[in-house]
Amino acid sequence: AQSVTQPDIHITVSEGASLELRCNYSYGATPYLFWYVQSPGQGLQLLLKYFSGDTLVQGIKGFEAEFKRSQSSFNLRKPSVHWSDAAEYFCAVGQTMEYGNKLVFGAGTILRVKS
Amino acid sequence: DVKVTQSSRYLVKRTGEKVFLECVQDMDHENMFWYRQDPGLGLRLIYFSYDVKMKEKGDIPEGYSVSREKKERFSLILESASTNQTSMYLCAIQGGLLNNNEQFFGPGTRLTVL
Repeated sequence: AQSVTQPDIHITVSEGASLELRCNYSYGATPYLFWYVQSPGQGLQLLLKYFSGDTLVQGIKGFEAEFKRSQSSFNLRKPSVHWSDAAEYFCAVGQTMEYGNKLVFGAGTILRVKS
Repeated sequence: DVKVTQSSRYLVKRTGEKVFLECVQDMDHENMFWYRQDPGLGLRLIYFSYDVKMKEKGDIPEGYSVSREKKERFSLILESASTNQTSMYLCAIQGGLLNNNEQFFGPGTRLTVL
């Protein structure tokens, strides 16, 4: 069965510092991969997605992620974190079904930004 | 813009009550999903629907049922609410104008069962 591991439950970075959130997945075929962000009290917003092609994908709010098949990873990065990036981040892998795709989510990483 | 509306942001119910959570979309998306979100567990799929009157169990369907009588509306039903169903419930849609793999989420309903 598909699974997603986000090893870090909490991460704290200083404003202006670089950020990397880790995500490892387990999936037999070529995965569809997603990063979502959830600000406090809000629903989930899609940051970026990988389906095929270029392994470095760009997303909204200055985020990017790199798909590494050999490591089964899809880590999220940002070169300079802003205080407004404080939120919870979820990595997900898409599982193909007969109708549409099911998403399997990791447990999430809570990002704290200190000034 | 895609819009997903959930009937309540916050809900407090008593043990044993029947609870209805409603999700409404304003676009012609085929697939709709109900998740619950708990700290340290991420999002877990309860049920999904790929068409009117069609439903499939997700990973944690026990204690829940769903209804989809119209394409735009997908309801989650707790037949007899229990305290372990206190959680954040998120509705999502997929398909139609969205890429077939992407899911778009509503704002969530935080349910407390006393």
